[in-house]
Amino acid sequence: QVQLQESGPGLVKPSETLSLTCTVSSVSITNYYWSWIRQPPGKGLEWIGYISYTGGASYNPSLESRVTMSVDTSKNRFSLNLTSATATDAAVYYCAMSTGYYLDYWGQGTLVTVSS
Amino acid sequence: DIVMTQSPDSLAVSLDERATINCKSSQSVLYSSNNKNYLAWYQQKPGQSPKLLLYWASTRESGVPDRFSGSGSGTDFTLTISSLQAEDVAIYYCQQYYTTPRTFGQGTKVEIK
Repeated sequence: QVQLQESGPGLVKPSETLSLTCTVSSVSITNYYWSWIRQPPGKGLEWIGYISYTGGASYNPSLESRVTMSVDTSKNRFSLNLTSATATDAAVYYCAMSTGYYLDYWGQGTLVTVSS
Repeated sequence: DIVMTQSPDSLAVSLDERATINCKSSQSVLYSSNNKNYLAWYQQKPGQSPKLLLYWASTRESGVPDRFSGSGSGTDFTLTISSLQAEDVAIYYCQQYYTTPRTFGQGTKVEIK
């Protein structure tokens, strides 16, 4: 059973960097594509981007200037960094796995609040 | 970006009745070389993460009940729940994976009447 688990600070100060990690179980991260999606409270889903184990990535142009994703094959996990956080970045952040193009498996999500 | 627009925003259906959700894309998500529609449907129950229901517009994910079906091609798609059950109360999202950025519809909330 594929499992993904997000982790990271639940509170980030404005202008600081939001950093999250997704740990993957039961499948090697050296396959497939690994995505981040976010959902502001009470709102819809926004695709942030994806990365492959080779490091090739695609980011949402609306966030591209602030987003970096990386993969740690030794720990079977991948990460998201979002710089210069503002209140509009407050959301539940999900990590997900794609065997093809669609999002087959999702983590349970982690809520990030941006506040001083 | 491809804009995905769902209708209605919400609907209330009686148990065992049919629920129909529409999804329209601002441009075709049909890839002519393989005749596949690059569209997925997800279900998000209250307090849970989204779950993949259908991909390639009409292929059910393993374990998804056959009361869920998808249809359509090009720019117009439909998710049908043939006989609504209490456990189907959720928000349903369509998503295109034809191009990046991947984009989602705004969601349709399904409730019991």
